[in-house]
Amino acid sequence: DTGVSQDPRHKITKRGQNVTFRCDPISEHNRLYWYRQTLGQGPEFLTYFQNEAQLEKSRLLSDRFSAERPKGSFSTLEIQRTEQGDSAMYLCASSHSSGRVYEQYFGPGTRLTVT
Amino acid sequence: QKEVEQDPGPLSVPEGAIVSLNCTYSNSAFQYFMWYRQYSRKGPELLMYTYSSGNKEDGRFTAQVDKSSKYISLFIRDSQPSDSATYLCAGDSNYQLIWGAGTKLIIKP
Repeated sequence: DTGVSQDPRHKITKRGQNVTFRCDPISEHNRLYWYRQTLGQGPEFLTYFQNEAQLEKSRLLSDRFSAERPKGSFSTLEIQRTEQGDSAMYLCASSHSSGRVYEQYFGPGTRLTVT
Repeated sequence: QKEVEQDPGPLSVPEGAIVSLNCTYSNSAFQYFMWYRQYSRKGPELLMYTYSSGNKEDGRFTAQVDKSSKYISLFIRDSQPSDSATYLCAGDSNYQLIWGAGTKLIIKP
């Protein structure tokens, strides 16, 4: 399967714990995006990378959130001191920088439940 | 006010019906307009995109954009139970996608 993959698919954690998610983009894609989707809402942009550089961060990305893409390949999204409001689906997408905005391919998402 | 407004539904129709899904938007800078389909517990997948105003047809699906009224529509002909999903519209803001909340569509056999 050469699509975008995300791991884990589902994470249950207790409030106050740290969690880390991984995204593996399509191999030839140099752009990688993170979105958050809460129940009954559309995805909201969090951040994006071009190669290893993080070029934009939404104001939704509080200090408790950090994303990395160390070698321009896979990316990790870490949430520290999780809160119940962090419960959501975290979606990763990738594209090529020469592609159009609609040419973002999404992974299956990581569903986070904070108890 | 959200930049893209979409009725969350659910919209329930019988198999074979024509489905009309709609969004309104407020950002005049949008150039591309997209429709995505999202099955439960899956990521969104692109159905169709339209550049600027006009119509675009792909099989049973037709997308329409009216920039003068800031109105986006998706029509599904001969709807099938497999079309049951959440349909999200989106506009573009540079590299970002700005999404509606999605409409849950149920096609009854």
